[in-house]
Amino acid sequence: DGGITQSPKYLFRKEGQNVTLSCEQNLNHDAMYWYRQDPGQGLRLIYYSQIVNDFQKGDIAEGYSVSREKKESFPLTVTSAQKNPTAFYLCASSFVDEQFFGPGTRLTVL
Amino acid sequence: GQQLNQSPQSMFIQEGEDVSMNCTSSSIFNTWLWYKQDPGEGPVLLIALYKAGELTSNGRLTAQFGITRKDSFLNISASIPSDVGIYFCAGSPYSGAGSYQLTFGKGTKLSVIP
Repeated sequence: DGGITQSPKYLFRKEGQNVTLSCEQNLNHDAMYWYRQDPGQGLRLIYYSQIVNDFQKGDIAEGYSVSREKKESFPLTVTSAQKNPTAFYLCASSFVDEQFFGPGTRLTVL
Repeated sequence: GQQLNQSPQSMFIQEGEDVSMNCTSSSIFNTWLWYKQDPGEGPVLLIALYKAGELTSNGRLTAQFGITRKDSFLNISASIPSDVGIYFCAGSPYSGAGSYQLTFGKGTKLSVIP
């Protein structure tokens, strides 16, 4: 089955720690994205990548970093510089316009 | 950046009723997408629209690309309990290759009373 997987589903971290969220897709899509979702809010774009070894900042990139070493994988690191990291994080991929989402990772900072 | 206004923010309906929601943009869009999100899950793509005036159905769901290119509508007929969730519109001023950035509405939360 083709799709997007994110792991873990739930993640807890202490303040001051970096944490990496995993995103893998087997849809053979060139483009991948990371979004942040807060209660009552729409999706806000953190980073996106149109092709391997290239990525662009979205609207809220501060405090986050990404890499795109393989077409299938686009991990997101939430660094200690992110002041309010508790949120639901969604990864997506697309060929052109239609973005398909993973199941999400809920990050809670203790 | 571009703004999408989605309304209503929430709605409570009786099972069997029809539902309408809409999205308006401050600028012209060439692509409109509608997603549904269940609690704690990722959004699922319901309908994609690419042409002004286009009307597309997916089962009990029907979406329209507004003729002005600044709005889109989603209708759900004969609602059932599993329609509960948050419906998001998303749009892009581009279409085809290069349309990588979508703008999302804040969602319409639908509750269905059995």
